[in-house]
Amino acid sequence: DGGITQSPKYLFRKEGQNVTLSCEQNLNHDAMYWYRQDPGQGLRLIYYSQIVNDFQKGDIAEGYSVSREKKESFPLTVTSAQKNPTAFYLCASSMTGTVVNEQFFGPGTRLTVL
Amino acid sequence: KQEVTQIPAALSVPEGENLVLNCSFTDSAIYNLQWFRQDPGKGLTSLLLIQSSQREQTSGRLNASLDKSSGRSTLYIAASQPGDSATYLCAVALSNDYKLSFGAGTTVTVRA
Repeated sequence: DGGITQSPKYLFRKEGQNVTLSCEQNLNHDAMYWYRQDPGQGLRLIYYSQIVNDFQKGDIAEGYSVSREKKESFPLTVTSAQKNPTAFYLCASSMTGTVVNEQFFGPGTRLTVL
Repeated sequence: KQEVTQIPAALSVPEGENLVLNCSFTDSAIYNLQWFRQDPGKGLTSLLLIQSSQREQTSGRLNASLDKSSGRSTLYIAASQPGDSATYLCAVALSNDYKLSFGAGTTVTVRA
């Protein structure tokens, strides 16, 4: 059953903590993306990776970090430097990192700061 | 910078009525445009992708049109059903960029 999985579904963070969101895909896609969604706003790109061991900052990368050690996995760490991390985080993948291909999304992780 | 706008933000219709959802964008040099559906608390499901060379794309009761010169796309959903209730988002990719620019979405409620 091919697709994108994200875990956990809900995550709670205390002030000053770093937390890591998991994203795994078995679609054999080269490119992966992390987006943030806030109420009433469109999705905003945090980081993207077009190939293993390479990634680039998106529009709102400050306070976040990523790694891409395996093709299937693209974890996102929300650091204590991110001042307003409460949001819905979505991971996506596409066959390549070009715009020709559709992006497919995971079910999301809702992060709440306590 | 590409700006994508979806108006209205919310829409309520009786079952059976046709839905018309609008998406406008400021930079007409797009590569493609994608329509997504999002159910509450869930991820996005891709509905239709229209390449810049296409005028429309159809899938079942869904039809999406694209007019690059006027910076508009319209998603038509025929004979709406309560199961069509969701938020619909459009996203645009520019010709020189792989990134998607998203609208804020239109939340649709279909009343039984």
